[in-house]
Amino acid sequence: GAVVSQHPSWVICKSGTSVKIECRSLDFQATTMFWYRQFPKQSLMLMATSNEGSKATYEQGVEKDKFLINHASLTLSTLTVTSAHPEDSSFYICSAEFRAGANVLTFGAGSRLTVL
Amino acid sequence: RKEVEQDPGPFNVPEGATVAFNCTYSNSASQSFFWYRQDCRKEPKLLMSVYSSGNEDGRFTAQLNRASQYISLLIRDSKLSDSATYLCAVNKDTGNQFYFGTGTSLTVIP
Repeated sequence: GAVVSQHPSWVICKSGTSVKIECRSLDFQATTMFWYRQFPKQSLMLMATSNEGSKATYEQGVEKDKFLINHASLTLSTLTVTSAHPEDSSFYICSAEFRAGANVLTFGAGSRLTVL
Repeated sequence: RKEVEQDPGPFNVPEGATVAFNCTYSNSASQSFFWYRQDCRKEPKLLMSVYSSGNEDGRFTAQLNRASQYISLLIRDSKLSDSATYLCAVNKDTGNQFYFGTGTSLTVIP
């Protein structure tokens, strides 16, 4: 089955530093990947749609300069949280569509970010 | 108004009970609907798709009501292993961007 690998699974950083999270589709190509954020006891919130070879599409209220997305290949998308602050501490999850048009998402295991 | 509304629960039910969750969505143009299961501190896993005609998979039944814009999930003969958070997902218009409900927490008690 489709596997999406996400790395790192958890990270602790100091306030003001930048953190990069990688999302890889291991056995399929994903022209589109999605980045979600989930705060404790809240739902997944779609942050942005990552498009291979073009700019990401951000949801309303998500700062594109704060959350840098790069989708340089058909199997890799990265999310960089720039100048992280404690309020950015969250569970970041990426997902990809295994079959184009199927609208079924496969999720990575998530990355838990804690900003001190 | 949120795109997807879901009762967060918690639902605490005894083993063997039948439990139902509902989710309402605001965009009538949405075309794809799913239920996901999320265990504590884990990523969501696809549970089942939801169709107007209903979709049954063992003890799980999902239903879509387009007129009232809600989807439902019915779990029969609850097992301890069903304890989790159940999230509904609705796509944005006809695309592959999804909005999720807040999740409904289910605990099945021995």
